[in-house]
Amino acid sequence: SQELEQSPQSLIVQEGKNLTINCTSSKTLYGLYWYKQKYGEGLIFLMMLQKGGEEKSHEKITAKLDEKKQQSSLHITASQPSHAGIYLCGADSGSGNTPLVFGKGTRLSVIA
Amino acid sequence: EAGVAQSPRYKIIEKRQSVAFWCNPISGHATLYWYQQILGQGPKLLIQFQNNGVVDDSQLPKDRFSAERLKGVDSTLKIQPAKLEDSAVYLCASSLTVGNVLTFGAGSRLTVL
Repeated sequence: SQELEQSPQSLIVQEGKNLTINCTSSKTLYGLYWYKQKYGEGLIFLMMLQKGGEEKSHEKITAKLDEKKQQSSLHITASQPSHAGIYLCGADSGSGNTPLVFGKGTRLSVIA
Repeated sequence: EAGVAQSPRYKIIEKRQSVAFWCNPISGHATLYWYQQILGQGPKLLIQFQNNGVVDDSQLPKDRFSAERLKGVDSTLKIQPAKLEDSAVYLCASSLTVGNVLTFGAGSRLTVL
């Protein structure tokens, strides 16, 4: 079965700093999804990547899927307190009927 | 567009008691998922429905967990009897169909004492 490993497990950054979160898959990624979760709340969809080398951005968050399609990174530029939360990557194993498998998440704290 | 609705948001029960969670997906979404998220872990799929049929329940502990989706809309997840290790957030998600982006509800937090 597919497994996703996220690193780091937790991250504390000063407001205004850049940061990167990684997600590595044990198998080829056919669809990689990034979600954000705030404590006590559900998951909010951020971005989906499907093609090797694909890169998407939304506001100050950029996600990339590497060419070999086994790793994705999430980069936040000039972090703000609103970026704090748990970032989860989820993968579709590609059969078309398989629900998402998730990593354990990266907890991000942004301090003033 | 209304989101995925879940209730109750919080539930505290003693072990061996029963509990039920309800989910109302986004209108028109054919696929519905129940995930279990234990503190510090990522969500783990319990069951997936396509309309009112079960697509995948391979990770559902069927000796104590049951779920149904009558009429292909609302869904109920039941635990009977509950164990301490069932303490978790139960997340419901829906998608237009398989392969589409999942939209999650706010979750139901269960504490088993």
